[in-house]
Amino acid sequence: GAGVSQSPRYKVAKRGQDVALRCDPISGHVSLFWYQQALGQGPEFLTYFQNEAQLDKSGLPSDRFFAERPEGSVSTLKIQRTQQEDSAVYLCASSLRVKSSYNEQFFGPGTRLTVL
Amino acid sequence: AQSVTQLGSHVSVSEGALVLLRCNYSSSVPPYLFWYVQYPNQGLQLLLKYTTGATLVKGINGFEAEFKKSETSFHLTKPSAHMSDAAEYFCAVWDTGNQFYFGTGTSLTVIP
Repeated sequence: GAGVSQSPRYKVAKRGQDVALRCDPISGHVSLFWYQQALGQGPEFLTYFQNEAQLDKSGLPSDRFFAERPEGSVSTLKIQRTQQEDSAVYLCASSLRVKSSYNEQFFGPGTRLTVL
Repeated sequence: AQSVTQLGSHVSVSEGALVLLRCNYSSSVPPYLFWYVQYPNQGLQLLLKYTTGATLVKGINGFEAEFKKSETSFHLTKPSAHMSDAAEYFCAVWDTGNQFYFGTGTSLTVIP
């Protein structure tokens, strides 16, 4: 496709459930980023992949959060034992080159997660 | 770590009036600066960016922003607001740590 896509667009989970959020980056993009955007806040960095390697996961809020990109394209963000504070929009972004210097990130529409 | 401050979480302007959205950043070294727009249920779209060179940057949809090092500011302006400008606007900084830091956003309402 022409842009970054994410699925599902909306997810409602009961507290304690596991969820998996998918990101399809732009074809050929080396770098992939996940962000968490809480209500009324700006996006906050979660983790970064260069191809299949997860080079930075400093933003993951707890060990319940896990991300992977096994073949260097599609990525999945998994949240185990969801809590109400996990409710947010999860944004994925990709960029053409490695993160050694700025290059434009293209954002997907996000997945809105609501934990009841 | 960087911080980005957007003054005013909500701004309302009349159609045709000047749009001014404020952004200040904290950095001892001038970073790369950005404005993104987010329409409902859509991802972030880049409006404009400052990296080096001319401090007045023009972006899409008639927006522009001026980098003022002495004020550590990067305010976004548009001379005449359109109804279609109603959206959430985010200022962001890309620093030497190779990471984006976003402000908390400003919701722009355009009154007909």
